[in-house]
Amino acid sequence: GENVEQHPSTLSVQEGDSAVIKCTYSDSASNYFPWYKQELGKRPQLIIDIRSNVGEKKDQRIAVTLNKTAKHFSLHITETQPEDSAVYFCAATLWGGGADGLTFGKGTHLIIQP
Amino acid sequence: GAVVSQHPSRVICKSGTSVKIECRSLDFQATTMFWYRQFPKQSLMLMATSNEGSKATYEQGVEKDKFLINHASLTLSTLTVTSAHPEDSSFYICSALSGSGEYNEQFFGPGTRLTVL
Repeated sequence: GENVEQHPSTLSVQEGDSAVIKCTYSDSASNYFPWYKQELGKRPQLIIDIRSNVGEKKDQRIAVTLNKTAKHFSLHITETQPEDSAVYFCAATLWGGGADGLTFGKGTHLIIQP
Repeated sequence: GAVVSQHPSRVICKSGTSVKIECRSLDFQATTMFWYRQFPKQSLMLMATSNEGSKATYEQGVEKDKFLINHASLTLSTLTVTSAHPEDSSFYICSALSGSGEYNEQFFGPGTRLTVL
């Protein structure tokens, strides 16, 4: 099955600086890579996703890059704000071939220092 | 986006009892729903895939006789934790798949906090 590794486990950055979280996956068949933000006790919120036919996607301050050859994808948050503080999870799955559930990384606790 | 609800949001029960958690897609039909479990300060782990009208598919290590899943309609899946024990205490989150083929999206419920005494 799929295995997703996520680094770092904790990331502290100064407000206004950029944050980068990296994930690797093991199954080359995976074709869908979402990123979720989760606040304590709440459901994961999809913040951005990328499919395997695209190398990069951007939505305002958030961007995701995908390197299929290296089986590696990253989340980039620019101009960080205090409300960006949360736990972020990457995930991977193969969709379109059997509706597999998501395999999550272990999460990154992002702390924005004022 | 689509809305998924869960009930109850929080439940406390005694060891040995069974607890049922409901997951509903409120404004779309979902032939596939997923159940995840999240222990404190850990990631979400897929427990099982629930398909309407057929048996659920369980992930390795998840006991199908302990975690009973029923997906009787296109808008409702239930997870029953049978003979619950303290180690079953966790945050249980469902999600429902909207769309088809490669362009579907997974919507999460708000989760159910289970505490077994």
